[in-house]
Amino acid sequence: QEQLAESGGGLVTPGGSLRLSCLASGFNFNNYYMSWIRQTPEKGLEWIAYISTTSRTVYYADSVKGRFTVSRDNSKKSLFLQLTGVTVDDTAIYFCAREPVVFPAARFDLWGQGTPVTVSS
Amino acid sequence: QSVLTQPPSASGTPGQRVTISCSVSASNIGSTFINWFQQVPGAAPKLLIYSNNQRPSGVPDRFSGSKSGTSASLAISGLQSEDEADYFCATWDDSLNAGVFGGGTKVTVL
Repeated sequence: QEQLAESGGGLVTPGGSLRLSCLASGFNFNNYYMSWIRQTPEKGLEWIAYISTTSRTVYYADSVKGRFTVSRDNSKKSLFLQLTGVTVDDTAIYFCAREPVVFPAARFDLWGQGTPVTVSS
Repeated sequence: QSVLTQPPSASGTPGQRVTISCSVSASNIGSTFINWFQQVPGAAPKLLIYSNNQRPSGVPDRFSGSKSGTSASLAISGLQSEDEADYFCATWDDSLNAGVFGGGTKVTVL
């Protein structure tokens, strides 16, 4: 069964850092481009980062550029998102999602269950 | 730059046909492909339609997508109670190298 499972969310103070993980199972993680997407009741779904299979290509939303870093370890079937310099606006549920094509298309066919991040003092 | 605009809500009675619009503002509108996601409360989004009108395997044919000009649509025929959910359109903006989501439409089954 193909699955994605996020972890690492929690409470972080403004200006702090957090590392989110996404563990893939049931499919060949090496072959898929991946994204991070977050959701809040106010803003809805917001795409924030994309990484190619080899990590050669990465893209970020302007809202997180320079603060968040996406990476992957294909040997561990894992995707990561390093959050730094967080603000209250980064409070959200963070999802990892799979892109089933070899180019970015926002055609996310597999999602994790999400991990919540709360930024508060 | 792509902007996707959806109505905040839609509703219908069981058996009815409901249509949700996604207005596309993009410099390359002709080559913009729209994807649709369904999200029931407490769950992650699920891919419903991709490339404007393609259904992934396992998605009932009650769900259909289309795109014409500057607007894409998701239609739900034979509305069922389990279709009560939030629906989001999305696309990839090649000029920004960024994903874009619409604000979402909450469908209520009356």
